[in-house]
Formats: sequence, structure tokens, C-alpha cells
Amino acid sequence: SAVISQKPSRDICQRGTSLTIQCQVDSQVTMMFWYRQQPGQSLTLIATANQGSEATYESGFVIDKFPISRPNLTFSTLTVSNMSPEDSSIYLCSVRQGNIQYFGAGTRLSVL
Amino acid sequence: AQRVTQPEKLLSVFKGAPVELKCNYSYSGSPELFWYVQYSRQRLQLLLRHISRESIKGFTADLNKGETSFHLKKPFAQEEDSAMYYCALSTGNQFYFGTGTSLTVIP
Repeated sequence: SAVISQKPSRDICQRGTSLTIQCQVDSQVTMMFWYRQQPGQSLTLIATANQGSEATYESGFVIDKFPISRPNLTFSTLTVSNMSPEDSSIYLCSVRQGNIQYFGAGTRLSVL
Repeated sequence: AQRVTQPEKLLSVFKGAPVELKCNYSYSGSPELFWYVQYSRQRLQLLLRHISRESIKGFTADLNKGETSFHLKKPFAQEEDSAMYYCALSTGNQFYFGTGTSLTVIP
């Protein structure tokens, strides 16, 4: 199984600022995923990050708002840009190995 | 469209009582179904998958293609089972999660 380290674990940010979330995996993986988990709602896929190519964004999410980097097979970052209170949520990094999804512990973001 | 439905947002049972968390899916192909669990202050983790056909922590789930269901069952609930449970469907390319069921086991 994959072990995923995600940081920061939580942050409180001011409106209009940006936060970059880091995700480190203990093994090389082709696909990394970023999800958002809002209170009382399911996990929503933001984008899929493949090494060596641009991330693929789901409907409702755009690169300008959620830029993603994937410099190698074990690391990815998600930036939440120009934050507003509506961005307050838990952001999860995930990888897939053998058709099983593994998740990081999440980043709990609060935007004031 | 692929979709996973968990009709119960909240479920409370008494310790020792049977518990069933419902999951229905909609998918035209051959699905692979999973149950994920998130205990308080822990990360989301895999509980079981239908192809394994195994019991984990006393939980089982049977894929019923006729009813397009993958309900999670345990004959005797324990307090430590209190958690958030997500049903998930994999199409190979994509994972789809249900909205989750929060299970509370009352001592």
C-alpha cells in the first residue's frame, strides 16, 4: 500500500491569499489525484495530476484557481489561489495502486 | 452516468445490534465496488472491496448486480465501528464516491 504524507495538516488563511498543499508518496505512482471534501458532502475530484503533463481538471475546477504541479512520480502540489471563504474545506491527496485509492490525511483549510 | 448512492446520511445503532449501510450504484459496465471508512481524526482508508470477498473487522459486503447494490453489513456492531463510511465505484479510469453515511454505535 502507498503511504501518503500531506502538509500542512491545517491552515487558517486570509481572503485573497494563496495556499500550497504538498503531497509526498513513498513510492512512484503514475496518477495522483486531488479531492475536496466539504462538510456533509462527498469527495469531489478536483483534478488528476500525471507526471510530465498538465493536470486534467474536472468540471467546475480551473487551473487558474487550483494550479497543480507534478515534478516527479512521488510528489505533487495543489495551490488554492485567491482564496475566499467558500474555499474552506478539506483537501485530500490520493494515489491509485492496483485499482485501490489511497488517501493522505488531508489539509483542513479555513478561509477568513 | 456513473453514480453511487448512499441513502442514509446518519445511522445510529446500539452496540451488539446488526448494522447495514446501504449503497446502490448506477453503471452500465462491470463495476468494482469498495467501502472506505474514516474514523475520527484519521485518514480515509479502504475497508473492503467486493472482489476480495473477505470479512474485515466483521464487515462484509456482497455485490448484487441484479439490485445494483453493495450494502455493508455487520451482525454485531461495536462502539469502535463509529465512523464515516463511503461506498465507491471504480470504472477503471475513475473513482466515484457516495455522499457517505455517518455511523454511530450507541453503547
